[in-house]
Amino acid sequence: DSGVTQTPKHLITATGQRVTLRCSPRSGDLSVYWYQQSLDQGLQFLIQYYNGEERAKGNILERFSAQQFPDLHSELNLSSLELGDSALYFCASSVAADGTGSGETQYFGPGTRLLVL
Amino acid sequence: EDKVVQSPLSLVVHEGDTVTLNCSYEVTNFRSLLWYKQEKKAPTFLFMLTSSGIEKKSGRLSSILDKKELFSILNITATQTGDSAIYLCAPRRIHKIIFGKGTRLHILP
Repeated sequence: DSGVTQTPKHLITATGQRVTLRCSPRSGDLSVYWYQQSLDQGLQFLIQYYNGEERAKGNILERFSAQQFPDLHSELNLSSLELGDSALYFCASSVAADGTGSGETQYFGPGTRLLVL
Repeated sequence: EDKVVQSPLSLVVHEGDTVTLNCSYEVTNFRSLLWYKQEKKAPTFLFMLTSSGIEKKSGRLSSILDKKELFSILNITATQTGDSAIYLCAPRRIHKIIFGKGTRLHILP
């Protein structure tokens, strides 16, 4: 158990809908990362927040958005869902932001499996 | 464009064998390189490498980074069936983390 929690575990929805995935980082971790993993694309970095502010952006679609709240939990919002958005969505947390120290070790949550029908 | 290539894609060996997994990268503004092990679900952290030539060890696993030649290797000695997993290499640059497609390792008893 990494200490990172994600809800829900599974989510089934229809195309065109909007969903919110939730992540609580490990106690004391200020950075939250979101990843998407699909069979054909592998693990893709989406976005990072550090202490409430966006820190780094990867391959995140405009239909997707995220935020980190004052209590450091984070939400990933996926809208206008398409079949291709079906994937496993991971959240990870670390202490640090963007350096080279050991505080950058990322601990992954168990993931949310999203199925778009 | 940032690029990460892991090889081999897949590897099947017998228990007790030693394996070497490779990761080559082309990443601008490189900061560090991470290795992860992914079994059924979430990746678990193995190593973070920031300096060239310094081997990091954890039990039967070790890893080293060569920042001049832009590659890293992960070694597993005396493999066990519990080592069966996908091993992911992830170079980190400023404001971005790029994952390779992984090496799928299967250890036969």
